[in-house]
Amino acid sequence: GAGVSQSPRYKVTKRGQDVTLRCDPISSHATLYWYQQALGQGPEFLTYFNYEAQPDKSGLPSDRFSAERPEGSISTLTIQRTEQRDSAMYRCASSLAPAGAGETQYFGPGTRLLVL
Amino acid sequence: AQSVTQLGSHVSVSEGALVLLRCNYSSSVPPYLFWYVQYPNQGLQLLLKYTSAATLVKGINGFEAEFKKSETSFHLTKPSAHMSDAAEYFCAVISGYSSASKIIFGSGTRLSIRP
Repeated sequence: GAGVSQSPRYKVTKRGQDVTLRCDPISSHATLYWYQQALGQGPEFLTYFNYEAQPDKSGLPSDRFSAERPEGSISTLTIQRTEQRDSAMYRCASSLAPAGAGETQYFGPGTRLLVL
Repeated sequence: AQSVTQLGSHVSVSEGALVLLRCNYSSSVPPYLFWYVQYPNQGLQLLLKYTSAATLVKGINGFEAEFKKSETSFHLTKPSAHMSDAAEYFCAVISGYSSASKIIFGSGTRLSIRP
């Protein structure tokens, strides 16, 4: 597609429910990142994919968080048994290659998650 | 390990005045450095990046930044502020080798422009 898209844009859920967030990257991009951004803070790295491989998931806060990209394009981030501290903006970005190669990351508009 | 410090969570300047947003980094290996801008209700957009070529980097919308290794700084400047520059700005760092994946963002600086 023309840019990175994310859905839903807003999600309100009750504590204990599972949520799944979706990211549709730029079609030619091999690399896809997930970030969590709390209010007043910069984005914090969660995990990234190179095609369908997930070389680094060191930023996932707990085992309640998981991500997948089974066909190397669309990715989902799932949070199980949500907690209020999971409330944040979740951002997805894609790039031609990993950021360490100097490639530009293109960000989606984000999904704002509110856990009540 | 890398880290980024942005001095000043909020900067306010008059329209037409110089914009200076400060960023200091820490990195054990040669870094790549980025400045991103975030407009309300939009995703982050790359302003400019330093990837070990010229130390003075020019970006979009008249912004530029200078990589100063001795000062571990990568401050963002614009000679004359415009009302449309009001946004949040993030500095970011990553180790400059091709397999590096974890980019570290600063906490951001909100830029306000006074008429």
